Amino acid sequence: DSGVTQTPKHLITATGQRVTLRCSPRSGDLSVYWYQQSLDQGLQFLIHYYNGEERAKGNILERFSAQQFPDLHSELNLSSLELGDSALYFCASSVISGSGASIHNEQFFGPGTRLTVL
Amino acid sequence: GIQVEQSPPDLILQEGANSTLRCNFSDSVNNLQWFHQNPWGQLINLFYIPSGTKQNGRLSATTVATERYSLLYISSSQTTDSGVYFCAEMIYNQGGKLIFGQGTELSVKP
Repeated sequence: DSGVTQTPKHLITATGQRVTLRCSPRSGDLSVYWYQQSLDQGLQFLIHYYNGEERAKGNILERFSAQQFPDLHSELNLSSLELGDSALYFCASSVISGSGASIHNEQFFGPGTRLTVL
Repeated sequence: GIQVEQSPPDLILQEGANSTLRCNFSDSVNNLQWFHQNPWGQLINLFYIPSGTKQNGRLSATTVATERYSLLYISSSQTTDSGVYFCAEMIYNQGGKLIFGQGTELSVKP
């Protein structure tokens, strides 16, 4: 058990709908990352939040948004869902130490949310 | 762009055999992690290894940062070792995102 929790485990919905995925990081971790794993794209970085602020964005669609709350949990919102959004969505958390090339940033992953869009 | 390449793409072993998985990366590594994705989809941390060698039971890993590769050794493989093994490089100047390789799918037969 990594200490990162994600809900729900499975989600089945229809095209055009909106869903919210939730992540609670490990105790003490300020950073939360979201990744998408699909069959054709592999594991791809979506977005990083640090202590409530957005730090970096990957190839995240405009239909997707995220936020990190004061208690450090994070939510990923997916709207106007398409068939191609079906994937496994992972949240990871870490505590970052050091800086620059000496940075230490080991990421721990939650169990994932499997999204199926029909 | 930064690329992470893993080999072989898939591997079939008999229980008890040893194996070596390789990860090549295209940029200077700051942080390198190895993960095991089990058949239920969970990503399990195996090693955090920017350089040097680490061992954990039957598994060990070595990263040679100057030559931009990392190796994962699995000895005396068991059926529970089956799944997909990923290496990932952390890009510190891009928000700390991980760039994953395509994975090595390992199947251990009894």
